[in-house]
Amino acid sequence: KNEVEQSPQNLTAQEGEFITINCSYSVGISALHWLQQHPGGGIVSLFMLSSGKKKHGRLIATINIQEKHSSLHITASHPRDSAVYICAVRPLSGGGADGLTFGKGTHLIIQP
Amino acid sequence: DSGVTQTPKHLITATGQRVTLRCSPRSGDLSVYWYQQSLDQGLQFLIQYYNGEERAKGNILERFSAQQFPDLHSELNLSSLELGDSALYFCASSPGQGVYEQYFGPGTRLTVT
Repeated sequence: KNEVEQSPQNLTAQEGEFITINCSYSVGISALHWLQQHPGGGIVSLFMLSSGKKKHGRLIATINIQEKHSSLHITASHPRDSAVYICAVRPLSGGGADGLTFGKGTHLIIQP
Repeated sequence: DSGVTQTPKHLITATGQRVTLRCSPRSGDLSVYWYQQSLDQGLQFLIQYYNGEERAKGNILERFSAQQFPDLHSELNLSSLELGDSALYFCASSPGQGVYEQYFGPGTRLTVT
């Protein structure tokens, strides 16, 4: 079982719909990252969360540390939001190791 | 643009060869991370350097090695290449050790034929 599980794996929606992508993890963490990867391959960091909720434009990310769960929401979705969204965690560890552990990603397509 | 640069963008080489991938972190960032993204394994952490010193190893093969130089740029060396090493290799940087956002470079696409 992967330490980081995302759902759904694939999601197709119509423009304007409210989108939710879920991430569950099984290890103790110090932070959770949401990343966006476009077809060209580049990875952009959207959010880093340790607790609570963050909002940036039409994107909202929440985390529940007790339940080991995070969600990424997109409001008023647009075709340009089409991308792979990746959840990644920084596991709690000694020695200052900061390498991330990744989910397999959610492939989102927004149709006009 | 994250401020992290990687060269080359694409690399095609044959099995058994050795290649070097280069990464320049954002100005002022002391930590550099290398990640591999393959179709079957997804994204995996390879290795982390902080201010010239190795800090952590992930799923890095013994055929692979890395270093961070005094000017903080980093190189990932891949040797005795196999077909399965074909992947996107990303470098990321952050200001220090601990809970920081990581900024990803554009990646180097390695194809081993």
